[in-house]
Amino acid sequence: EPEVTQTPSHQVTQMGQEVILRCVPISNHLYFYWYRQILGQKVEFLVSFYNNEISEKSEIFDDQFSVERPDGSNFTLKIRSTKLEDSAMYFCASSQTGAEEKLFFGSGTQLSVL
Amino acid sequence: AQSVTQPDIHITVSEGASLELRCNYSYGATPYLFWYVQSPGQGLQLLLKYFSGDTLVQGIKGFEAEFKRSQSSFNLRKPSVHWSDAAEYFCAVGARTGRRALTFGSGTRLQVQP
Repeated sequence: EPEVTQTPSHQVTQMGQEVILRCVPISNHLYFYWYRQILGQKVEFLVSFYNNEISEKSEIFDDQFSVERPDGSNFTLKIRSTKLEDSAMYFCASSQTGAEEKLFFGSGTQLSVL
Repeated sequence: AQSVTQPDIHITVSEGASLELRCNYSYGATPYLFWYVQSPGQGLQLLLKYFSGDTLVQGIKGFEAEFKRSQSSFNLRKPSVHWSDAAEYFCAVGARTGRRALTFGSGTRLQVQP
């Protein structure tokens, strides 16, 4: 079965530093998403992306966050100046049709901000 | 705003025993309903979904779930648990119109005893 790939699996950074989390969605998928899960809390939606633009974002996704599809295969989440509360597991997901039943998730990147 | 409650944070069952994981949702209308499973080091995998029609839905790995509108519930069941079912299980809801992002519950961690 095709997979969504996320790198790195773990990322440690200092507060105030920029981080980029990388994802390779399934090749024929058109809709891309980032979700995150703070330890012990719910999985939360951050942003969805289609046709090279953000189609939906949550209140969590403020000006410190940005997404990009730089080369037609990667999908990245950038956090400009990390805060302690950004520590979480970040999940990338993709779908072909945009309908939730076809959502495929990656295994996540554990981000630790010190 | 929609919300999902999974009242059991952690459940332990014996191998071969039956399993029921609870999920209650709050939403103005009937949402799309999902169960996802996350094994250690893996991404979220869709187990089953309810969109419409028969309120008892069958999923992969022998799981089923029943949508009960009167109780706003979508409980996950399996008649005989296998050791490989040990994982974290997430219930999620999605809106039928408007915002398409999924809202997740906080998850139930299943431990299986030999």
